[in-house]
Amino acid sequence: GDSVTQMEGPVTLSEEAFLTINCTYTATGYPSLFWYVQYPGEGLQLLLKATKADDKGSNKGFEATYRKETTSFHLEKGSVQVSDSAVYFCALGPTGNQFYFGTGTSLTVIP
Amino acid sequence: DAEITQSPRHKITETGRQVTLACHQTWNHNNMFWYRQDLGHGLRLIHYSYGVQDTNKGEVSDGYSVSRSNTEDLPLTLESAASSQTSVYFCASSESKRGTDTQYFGPGTRLTVL
Repeated sequence: GDSVTQMEGPVTLSEEAFLTINCTYTATGYPSLFWYVQYPGEGLQLLLKATKADDKGSNKGFEATYRKETTSFHLEKGSVQVSDSAVYFCALGPTGNQFYFGTGTSLTVIP
Repeated sequence: DAEITQSPRHKITETGRQVTLACHQTWNHNNMFWYRQDLGHGLRLIHYSYGVQDTNKGEVSDGYSVSRSNTEDLPLTLESAASSQTSVYFCASSESKRGTDTQYFGPGTRLTVL
């Protein structure tokens, strides 16, 4: 079945470091791909999305490219800030009216 | 501002009791979803609705039910709570059935079943 696999955390980086969080997927159709962010005590918020192969989603300095050939949607940011500390979820959908989420990757950025 | 709220934010109950978690959105969205979040599993879809009187089962629907009597609310009921249902529950809504639509999430309800 369809699924999303994210790199396991937690990830700890120093401020201004480069961030990559890996996400790969398995899908039978052509779903959209998403990155959501969850700050402590809050619900998930959409960070960025891509709707078809080779699309690049971007927001707040974060980027991810929908790679069909490698079935990947890795999240990157060139210079992280303390305020980026959160849990990041990769997701795909809809397939069969369902959305599938990864297990989440916790990021802590230290000053 | 439009929002999606959940209540209660925290709930402790006993095995076998019926529990209802509330979800209310003021986005006027047709679509509403219930997920549970567990360590090592990410978010899993419990039930969803595409409009009033419409409800559908998700990946992990056993032991849960929903009803949609108006656009704003989708309450989630655990008919007979089990310890395996201890989790954090998130409600979400979106405007249409298109997969590109953003889902807006509530703040979550942490449920503990003793």
